[in-house]
Amino acid sequence: DVKVTQSSRYLVKRTGEKVFLECVQDMDHENMFWYRQDPGLGLRLIYFSYDVKMKEKGDIPEGYSVSREKKERFSLILESASTNQTSMYLCASSLSIFYTEAFFGQGTRLTVV
Amino acid sequence: AQSVTQLDSQVPVFEEAPVELRCNYSSSVSVYLFWYVQYPNQGLQLLLKYLSGSTLVESINGFEAEFNKSQTSFHLRKPSVHISDTAEYFCAVTPPSGGSYIPTFGRGTSLIVHP
Repeated sequence: DVKVTQSSRYLVKRTGEKVFLECVQDMDHENMFWYRQDPGLGLRLIYFSYDVKMKEKGDIPEGYSVSREKKERFSLILESASTNQTSMYLCASSLSIFYTEAFFGQGTRLTVV
Repeated sequence: AQSVTQLDSQVPVFEEAPVELRCNYSSSVSVYLFWYVQYPNQGLQLLLKYLSGSTLVESINGFEAEFNKSQTSFHLRKPSVHISDTAEYFCAVTPPSGGSYIPTFGRGTSLIVHP
């Protein structure tokens, strides 16, 4: 089975902290995604990557950056956390440009206080 | 560009009753269609998908969805729901190949099954 693992289920951080959310997939997928999920807004794409060291902005990239140094790992970085970044963060991966489905991690619920 | 509309944000239903969760999409090209399910405090997992062929697709736990090209819909149905079906359901679309392969998700429908 494909496994996408997010490093933390729950995080509490202070305003202004630099926050790293880590995601690892074990199926050699080319594409990886970071989404933010908020009630009533569904999933919003923050960043995605289609190859090592390649990244593209999604719909809401402001306040975030990403890093993909190895194919299996995709990190989301909150440069200076703010309370409006309190949310559920979901990482996903898919095989290639011939997309058939995405595999999701279990999510990280981040609270910024 | 494509978009997905899930018409109901919340659907309450009694156990063993039938349910339909609605999904409509708009796209200038043909699309692949997906339903994902998210149980409480978990990530999303694929429920079923339509890529080509028969327009009626089924999942292993009794859900089915029918692709209707003329109505640009992909509604999800189950003839008799169980308490364990309580979850958030997301419809998604993506072009089959070329261009953007990024899935577009609907806002989700919360299915609440009452005993």
